[in-house]
Amino acid sequence: GQNIDQPTEMTATEGAIVQINCTYQTSGFNGLFWYQQHAGEAPTFLSYNVLDGLEEKGRFSSFLSRSKGYSYLLLKELQMKDSASYLCAVAAGNKLTFGGGTRVLVKP
Amino acid sequence: EPEVTQTPSHQVTQMGQEVILRCVPISNHLYFYWYRQILGQKVEFLVSFYNNEISEKSEIFDDQFSVERPDGSNFTLKIRSTKLEDSAMYFCASRTSENTGELFFGEGSRLTVL
Repeated sequence: GQNIDQPTEMTATEGAIVQINCTYQTSGFNGLFWYQQHAGEAPTFLSYNVLDGLEEKGRFSSFLSRSKGYSYLLLKELQMKDSASYLCAVAAGNKLTFGGGTRVLVKP
Repeated sequence: EPEVTQTPSHQVTQMGQEVILRCVPISNHLYFYWYRQILGQKVEFLVSFYNNEISEKSEIFDDQFSVERPDGSNFTLKIRSTKLEDSAMYFCASRTSENTGELFFGEGSRLTVL
């Protein structure tokens, strides 16, 4: 099975940087995904890492270390619209298993 | 941009009633999923479906649940006799391949069981 841990909540200031950590234990690994979910809406894809290292996509970057079972999502130049939950998800077999999500509150 | 569509967006039902939630996955996708999210909780895997059969299901997906793809486009989730604890948002998702590629989620169907 999978066990995925991420902080419940984080607060940051508009324009700042926030790093959301995710640790996981899994049997089988086909990659790690980050999704964004606004309240009452569906998750939307942010990033995918299958090899170790950093993937950068605009203001968002994601890092993976398979040996440590660790990933982080880095959000730069925070905007108010970035207030949402960020879901770490591990792919194994033919499904994604989601962590509990980290609610990020961006303050002016 | 292609998208996963779900109907209804919201359904209210009485405990013990049957409910069918419908999904139209993205047309060239091969793998289909149902997830649920109870209010304030995490997104939980229910079932995956490939080549017209269930490929994996969770312990949540008991005999009260079933899925089918009756006509090659719709992908349905049926709950035979709803319970209060089935109240949740149900998300349909699809992807092109089994091991790689993102899951594309529909907007969800909110089920309220009274």
